[in-house]
Amino acid sequence: DTAVSQTPKYLVTQMGNDKSIKCEQNLGHDTMYWYKQDSKKFLKIMFSYNNKELIINETVPNRFSPKSPDKAHLNLHINSLELGDSAVYFCASSQAGLFEAFFGQGTRLTVV
Amino acid sequence: GENVEQHPSTLSVQEGDSAVIKCTYSDSASNYFPWYKQELGKRPQLIIDIRSNVGEKKDQRIAVTLNKTAKHFSLHITETQPEDSAVYFCAALVSGSARQLTFGSGTQLTVLP
Repeated sequence: DTAVSQTPKYLVTQMGNDKSIKCEQNLGHDTMYWYKQDSKKFLKIMFSYNNKELIINETVPNRFSPKSPDKAHLNLHINSLELGDSAVYFCASSQAGLFEAFFGQGTRLTVV
Repeated sequence: GENVEQHPSTLSVQEGDSAVIKCTYSDSASNYFPWYKQELGKRPQLIIDIRSNVGEKKDQRIAVTLNKTAKHFSLHITETQPEDSAVYFCAALVSGSARQLTFGSGTQLTVLP
């Protein structure tokens, strides 16, 4: 069983479109995250979320929004996609007290 | 917020030699410091971590040291092997109800056979 799974693995879309990336964790963790990894490999936190608090990195454009239908899911919705949004997006989860973050396999988003 | 700096950005070593990667952090409240290894096209995976009540931790060929006073921590890999080639990331945890791991910029380690 995959601990943290995200879909799709690859996403190619045109500028201006709206797209979503789904993430699910079956670890029973209390916190989920979205990271963006650019072409230089830098892992940048976008959001962290549990049922008490959403922390948004202030540099994330408001075109990006996390949506959590339940504790095991944190989807990423992106409006009006731009060329600069092309990157690999990683979902992750962790549990209070243990701290280790488990990553999904990543979604390579290409905006053309 | 937390800021983590990592050096060097690239590191090449001969097989069998040691490799050392260093990180500094800014938030004195950070209390968890993991290291992740990311192979090409794969997800980051935890290889070792250390908490602020410990100064050193070792797991076979990998060790991590933490100096809380100076706010820096280091990864040491001994007897390097070609399969150690990857990007290594340090990180620091900002405590809170919605915890955030802030990552360093990564080190591309290449082990030359």
